[in-house]
Amino acid sequence: GAVVSQHPSRVICKSGTSVKIECRSLDFQATTMFWYRQFPKQSLMLMATSNEGSKATYEQGVEKDKFLINHASLTLSTLTVTSAHPEDSSFYICSGLLPGQGNYGYTFGSGTRLTVV
Amino acid sequence: AQSVTQLGSHVSVSEGALVLLRCNYSSSVPPYLFWYVQYPNQGLQLLLKYTTGATLVKGINGFEAEFKKSETSFHLTKPSAHMSDAAEYFCAVSAEGGSNYKLTFGKGTLLTVNP
Repeated sequence: GAVVSQHPSRVICKSGTSVKIECRSLDFQATTMFWYRQFPKQSLMLMATSNEGSKATYEQGVEKDKFLINHASLTLSTLTVTSAHPEDSSFYICSGLLPGQGNYGYTFGSGTRLTVV
Repeated sequence: AQSVTQLGSHVSVSEGALVLLRCNYSSSVPPYLFWYVQYPNQGLQLLLKYTTGATLVKGINGFEAEFKKSETSFHLTKPSAHMSDAAEYFCAVSAEGGSNYKLTFGKGTLLTVNP
């Protein structure tokens, strides 16, 4: 089946530094990738939708200058958390939209646990 | 606009007992409905989905769900719980035919299975 590989699975960084999270679609071309944030014991909150070759669309309340999303190729989307602070600590998950499946084909990465100290 | 309500943030069952996780949705257009399972520190795994056709949908690991339009529900069931079913379960909805491909998630239900 279609797989999205997400790395790293865990990362600890110092406050003020930047962290990049990568999501690669291994056996399909992901023209659209979604980025979610999940707080402990809570649901997934959509942060942004990225389309290959164009600027990401951010959800209301998400700082686009803090959470930089790049989707430069059909197989790679990245989320960079810039100038990270402890409140950015969270679980981040990407999801690829499967080609030809419209609104019913999604595959998820395994998530990245970010801890900012 | 669409939304999902999962009734019960925590459900506890005994091993071998029926599992019933409730999900109600709201959508202005025909919905696509999903159930996902999440184990600790992992991504989401699709259990099953309803798009069109048969309203009773069978998924992996013995789970099934029935789309009931009149009740705007998509409850998840499994006849006999197994210890390995203990996890967080999310119901989600997207809209048929829309150009907005977003998935909207419920708040999740934590399933505990007691020996």
